[in-house]
Amino acid sequence: GIQVEQSPPDLILQEGANSTLRCNFSDSVNNLQWFHQNPWGQLINLFYIPSGTKQNGRLSATTVATERYSLLYISSSQTTDSGVYFCAVVMLWDDYKLSFGAGTTVTVRA
Amino acid sequence: ETGVTQTPRHLVMGMTNKKSLKCEQHLGHNAMYWYKQSAKKPLELMFVYSLEERVENNSVPSRFSPECPNSSHLFLHLHTLQPEDSALYLCASSSGTRGGEQFFGPGTRLTVL
Repeated sequence: GIQVEQSPPDLILQEGANSTLRCNFSDSVNNLQWFHQNPWGQLINLFYIPSGTKQNGRLSATTVATERYSLLYISSSQTTDSGVYFCAVVMLWDDYKLSFGAGTTVTVRA
Repeated sequence: ETGVTQTPRHLVMGMTNKKSLKCEQHLGHNAMYWYKQSAKKPLELMFVYSLEERVENNSVPSRFSPECPNSSHLFLHLHTLQPEDSALYLCASSSGTRGGEQFFGPGTRLTVL
């Protein structure tokens, strides 16, 4: 099956710092989503980005489908950005199955 | 209610109990999903329903039984579970278009004693 690898596994930031999270995937995809999981387990949609670049406030994401990777940028990090960030993809020949990476755990310190 | 809702949010059950998890989506979607998140493991897909028909069963043990009576509701019936089935169970929905964006509910945290 498709491999989804996220790096780094853990990230500790000082409030105000910028960071980049990476997601590599092993096959062509027709869906790529970035999620933030809060401490209560809720998965919050950040981006639906099978290709291209999007921005939402302090967050932005870029997917280069031809090179099979996506990047999530967090700028001016805040303590509320802490949590686990997941990348998930649906393979090009599949319709529905989201395959998740193992996540990046982000801790932002005041 | 908006988005995807799940009840109950927490559930503790014995191995001989029978219980059901409920999911409801208010987004007008026609595909619904059950995912499982165990400690230290990536989220994994359990079941997919599209237009109320099951389209994927990801090698899930028969002690988990899904039901999709209409495009807005999804159930997961549980019976004779094992302690290793303790996990966060997440429901999601999408518009059903190929690779469409999936939206998740808050999850049910299940503990099997």
